[in-house]
Amino acid sequence: AQKITQTQPGMFVQEKEAVTLDCTYDTSDQSYGLFWYKQPSSGEMIFLIYQGSYDEQNATEGRYSLNFQKARKSANLVISASQLGDSAMYFCAMREGLYNQGGKLIFGQGTELSVKP
Amino acid sequence: NAGVTQTPKFRVLKTGQSMTLLCAQDMNHEYMYWYRQDPGMGLRLIHYSVGEGTTAKGEVPDGYNVSRLKKQNFLLGLESAAPSQTSVYFCASSYHRETEDQETQYFGPGTRLLVL
Repeated sequence: AQKITQTQPGMFVQEKEAVTLDCTYDTSDQSYGLFWYKQPSSGEMIFLIYQGSYDEQNATEGRYSLNFQKARKSANLVISASQLGDSAMYFCAMREGLYNQGGKLIFGQGTELSVKP
Repeated sequence: NAGVTQTPKFRVLKTGQSMTLLCAQDMNHEYMYWYRQDPGMGLRLIHYSVGEGTTAKGEVPDGYNVSRLKKQNFLLGLESAAPSQTSVYFCASSYHRETEDQETQYFGPGTRLLVL
């Protein structure tokens, strides 16, 4: 069965420093997609970054990058130059099923990030 | 564009009551999803739809029904609410794709449901 594991329930980081949030996944599919979402205290789910299983380069979106290590089945999120507004819950997710058949998302349990001034 | 909207934002039900949650999207997306989020957990898929008139079960479908009579709307129904259905419900939508390129699911703001 497909599974997403986030082993860090909570993390602290100093403002302006970089932080890595861990995510490992388990799947037997050849094609899959990996996502990171941010959920601030207001509750909405904000898409951050996507990595396709066939992408050879790590995805980047501004201060966010995804450290994709396919052989180790890990998809860690790196946030550079942390800001106070980065304090939130972060979820790693994986698409289950084919992208052209309504790929459904499986979520990890989340990591709560707190940025200290 | 309003994106994905959900109605209502908050609701309190008594055990055994019924209600319908409405999700609407104005992005012409083919796929729509209903998830629930419980404290300390990630989101879990309840039901989803790959197109108008079609629905399918997700990971936790028991106690819920769905309908997608129009492409832009996806309804989630609770026929007889139970305290275990107290949760935050998120609707999401996404494009149909023919290639594995950039994907994302766009989420609504959520509906908080309390069943007493």
